[in-house]
Amino acid sequence: DAGITQSPRHKVTETGTPVTLRCHQTENHRYMYWYRQDPGHGLRLIHYSYGVKDTDKGEVSDGYSVSRSKTEDFLLTLESATSSQTSVYFCAIMGTNTGELFFGEGSRLTVL
Amino acid sequence: GQQVMQIPQYQHVQEGEDFTTYCNSSTTLSNIQWYKQRPGGHPVFLIQLVKSGEVKKQKRLTFQFGEAKKNSSLHITATQTTDVGTYFCAGLGSEKLVFGKGTKLTVNP
Repeated sequence: DAGITQSPRHKVTETGTPVTLRCHQTENHRYMYWYRQDPGHGLRLIHYSYGVKDTDKGEVSDGYSVSRSKTEDFLLTLESATSSQTSVYFCAIMGTNTGELFFGEGSRLTVL
Repeated sequence: GQQVMQIPQYQHVQEGEDFTTYCNSSTTLSNIQWYKQRPGGHPVFLIQLVKSGEVKKQKRLTFQFGEAKKNSSLHITATQTTDVGTYFCAGLGSEKLVFGKGTKLTVNP
């Protein structure tokens, strides 16, 4: 495996509360990504990072922020969770050989 | 922006039948990647195609990249129950990797 761990793996929260998902990697990869997966929509990019403190928006970034203060950690924050953010969130890192993505196990978030 | 369309959305086959999923991009791609996601699991990288007209095989799986580098296909010969899952293509355009919505394959034993 690519040494990616996501936490928490499952979370139920209420509308309006802040939520932070953590992605941790052990292999010093430069590029890290956050995707959300919803039925009928496939995988959609939320934010990505190309280095410490270097991040950029993806196609569905509204309502989300990210931070990367260390190479190994990439945090995704929902400042005020809404029901539309109920989803499965995947973190991914880019491999160094051919640019393939290695995904974490996923974090299932339910916003009531 | 760049879009990647994938069809069909669902495919149900009898074990032993063949299966094909198709990917089409609105723009020319630098490369295309294929992933498989088992039910309840995470996407796992299968292969990357880079060259125009490229064909690669992995056992019963055959991957093709179109001559214009705007389309691709994945063909599975003689499906098995272990093939169930959702297959995604992902195309790299000018900047980012864009995923198709996936084809969910179910196999009846």
